[in-house]
Amino acid sequence: EVQLLESGGGSVQPGGSLRLSCAASGFTFSSFDMSWGRQAPGKGLEWVASFGGRDTATYYADSVKGRFSISKDNSKNTLFLQMNNLRAEDTAVYYCAKGYHFDSWGQGALVTVSS
Amino acid sequence: DVVMTQSPLYLPVTLGQPASISCRSSQSLVNGDGNTFLNWFHQRPGQSPRRLIYQVSTRESGVPDRLSGSGSGTDFTLKISRVEAEDVGVYYCMQASHWPLTFGGGTKVEIK
Repeated sequence: EVQLLESGGGSVQPGGSLRLSCAASGFTFSSFDMSWGRQAPGKGLEWVASFGGRDTATYYADSVKGRFSISKDNSKNTLFLQMNNLRAEDTAVYYCAKGYHFDSWGQGALVTVSS
Repeated sequence: DVVMTQSPLYLPVTLGQPASISCRSSQSLVNGDGNTFLNWFHQRPGQSPRRLIYQVSTRESGVPDRLSGSGSGTDFTLKISRVEAEDVGVYYCMQASHWPLTFGGGTKVEIK
């Protein structure tokens, strides 16, 4: 059974940084693309970033490009999202997902950006 | 960017009756390899989303056959043949044929 467990969420001031982690199990992590999505309070779903399983290519939404960085540690079966220069509009629940097609989702990590 | 437009935004339904959600894309979702990567997700209140259907019409394991996906090109539909109480929540379509990946705005399904 695929399991994805996010951690690292919390409250931060505008301009601050956070690093989210996603521990994966139940599948061959090194072989799969992985993604991050988010959902602002009371809003819909938004794709944030993806990391290629084989080619290690990275893709970012325009809203986070240059501020967020996605990475993958296959030795630890862990996906990361480094978030810098955070803004109020980045406040959301952040979900880790398997694949570019969001096959399976984690339970989410809340990130609150507020002064 | 591909804009995904869902309708209706809100869908009150009667138990046992059919329901249908439309998802339209601003450009064809057929990619260079001839594949159409259109997914449907369901999110119950307080829960993470769950993928129901991928590549337009293939149901995930465990998804009842009351739910079906159809469509092609720019026009897609999710149908529930007989609504049950567990079907309440918000449904999202998402395209993964073109970067950036984009979601529809969601359709909230409630029981009348």
